[in-house]
Amino acid sequence: GENVEQHPSTLSVQEGDSAVIKCTYSDSASNYFPWYKQELGKRPQLIIDIRSNVGEKKDQRIAVTLNKTAKHFSLHITETQPEDSAVYFCAAIIYNFNKFYFGSGTKLNVKP
Amino acid sequence: GAGVSQSPRYKVAKRGQDVALRCDPISGHVSLFWYQQALGQGPEFLTYFQNEAQLDKSGLPSDRFFAERPEGSVSTLKIQRTQQEDSAVYLCASLLSRPTSGELFFGEGSRLTVL
Repeated sequence: GENVEQHPSTLSVQEGDSAVIKCTYSDSASNYFPWYKQELGKRPQLIIDIRSNVGEKKDQRIAVTLNKTAKHFSLHITETQPEDSAVYFCAAIIYNFNKFYFGSGTKLNVKP
Repeated sequence: GAGVSQSPRYKVAKRGQDVALRCDPISGHVSLFWYQQALGQGPEFLTYFQNEAQLDKSGLPSDRFFAERPEGSVSTLKIQRTQQEDSAVYLCASLLSRPTSGELFFGEGSRLTVL
């Protein structure tokens, strides 16, 4: 099955700085890569996703990059704000299969 | 409803008790997933339903865990003879169609504490 590894497990940045979270996956058949944000005690919510035919996708302060050859993808948050503080999970999915494989999460702390 | 609803939100059980956790997915969502999330960890897959059919239960950790979705809507995750290692948040998520694309909608989760 798919193995998704996520780094770092914790990340602390100053407000206004950028944050980068990286994930690697093992199954080259994976072709959909969403990122979820989970605030304390809340449900995970999709913030951005990328498909294997795209190398980069941006949505305001959030961007995701994908390197299929190296089997890794990254989440980039620019101009971080305290409300960005949460746990972020990456996932790798194979179309037409029934499992979303999640990374172990990154706890991001944005210091004001 | 507007979102995925889970109950109870919090459950404390004595070791050896049976528990039942309910998930009410978004109306019309065909696919339903159960995940187990330990403190500080990512969600771990337990089982998957497409309508009433349980297509994958490979993530269930033991035969004490059982899930059903008899009418293709509400699902129940049952844990028999609970153990301390069962303490976790159990997340339910639904998806409109087979996961060829799209967003997993999560419930708030049921936090189980086994004493």
